[in-house]
Amino acid sequence: KQEVTQIPAALSVPEGENLVLNCSFTDSAIYNLQWFRQDPGKGLTSLLLIQSSQREQTSGRLNASLDKSSGRSTLYIAASQPGDSATYLCAVKGEGGSEKLVFGKGTKLTVNP
Amino acid sequence: EAQVTQNPRYLITVTGKKLTVTCSQNMNHEYMSWYRQDPGLGLRQIYYSMNVEVTDKGDVPEGYKVSRKEKRNFPLILESPSPNQTSLYFCASSVHLSAYEQYFGPGTRLTVT
Repeated sequence: KQEVTQIPAALSVPEGENLVLNCSFTDSAIYNLQWFRQDPGKGLTSLLLIQSSQREQTSGRLNASLDKSSGRSTLYIAASQPGDSATYLCAVKGEGGSEKLVFGKGTKLTVNP
Repeated sequence: EAQVTQNPRYLITVTGKKLTVTCSQNMNHEYMSWYRQDPGLGLRQIYYSMNVEVTDKGDVPEGYKVSRKEKRNFPLILESPSPNQTSLYFCASSVHLSAYEQYFGPGTRLTVT
């Protein structure tokens, strides 16, 4: 059974810092991995989707990497801003016929002005 | 505006009183899904649908029903709600299967007393 872990559960940094959020998964037979952002009282917003054949994806100040064989992904946020404060979740879709997405419990990020 | 809408956003009800949470998307997406989010447990998939009249169980389907009579709508039905179904519920959709970018609704906060 696939398990997704995100460490740390919470992270507080000063504005302007570059930071890395981690996501690990137990079964490397994944189809793709998505990173989401969740703001309090709101739904999830998809940030980046990496296919299993890709090593990384970039969007603005965000860069997500994927090492499928080691079961790890990282989300790099450059020059963090207070507006980046949110909970970040990763989710994996397995290979084969399953349409299930398995989510990590998230990392709550606080960027202090 | 492309979006996933859920109604109601907040609901307080009593044990055993049937309720329906509606979900609608205006993006002509084939895939729709329901999740619940609980502290310490993260997001867990309840049911998903790959197209009209095609639904399947996720990880925690007990106590829930769904239907997909139209492509745009995917209601979640609780025939006899219990307090352990108190949770934050999210509907999501994607263009085709869960391999594509997921779009989430704003969430429904349900309390069963």
